[in-house]
Amino acid sequence: GDSVTQMEGPVTLSEEAFLTINCTYTATGYPSLFWYVQYPGEGLQLLLKATKADDKGSNKGFEATYRKETTSFHLEKGSVQVSDSAVYFCALKSNFGNEKLTFGTGTRLTIIP
Amino acid sequence: DTGVSQNPRHKITKRGQNVTFRCDPISEHNRLYWYRQTLGQGPEFLTYFQNEAQLEKSRLLSDRFSAERPKGSFSTLEIQRTEQGDSAMYLCASMDGTGSYEQYFGPGTRLTVT
Repeated sequence: GDSVTQMEGPVTLSEEAFLTINCTYTATGYPSLFWYVQYPGEGLQLLLKATKADDKGSNKGFEATYRKETTSFHLEKGSVQVSDSAVYFCALKSNFGNEKLTFGTGTRLTIIP
Repeated sequence: DTGVSQNPRHKITKRGQNVTFRCDPISEHNRLYWYRQTLGQGPEFLTYFQNEAQLEKSRLLSDRFSAERPKGSFSTLEIQRTEQGDSAMYLCASMDGTGSYEQYFGPGTRLTVT
């Protein structure tokens, strides 16, 4: 079945550091890929998405590129801020008709000033 | 657009009791999803509705669980004869039918079974 493997946390970085959170997936065909973010005390929010190979999703300075050859969708940001502290989830949606999202286990990110 | 709302936000119940949660999706979103999230894990899919029809059910959804969306608007998730293993955050999400693939999540209902 479909699965998502995410870099384990927690991750602690200093403000303005470069961020990478690794995500790889297993799925048949060409799934759509997502990064969701959960800020403290809030619900999950879609951060960015990519629906086909080589697409790059971007939002709020975060980027991720859909790499079919390595089945990866790593999240990056060039300069993190304290306000980026949150839990980040990688997820996929199969293109074989079912509607569910399959999530990774989440990576807790803490940015210290 | 007030977002997806869920009630109650917290529920504490004793083992063996029944509980019911409610989800109000974003208006005019015809798709509604239930997920369960345990501590340190990502959300796991439970079930999905398109309008009032329940179209997918995970095998996580045992016969003690039932979900309804009677008029294609709000949805309820009932757990009968709760067990301690049911303790989790129950998340609801909704999506429109335009092919955007974006599921909008509610804040969740945290269930604690004592």
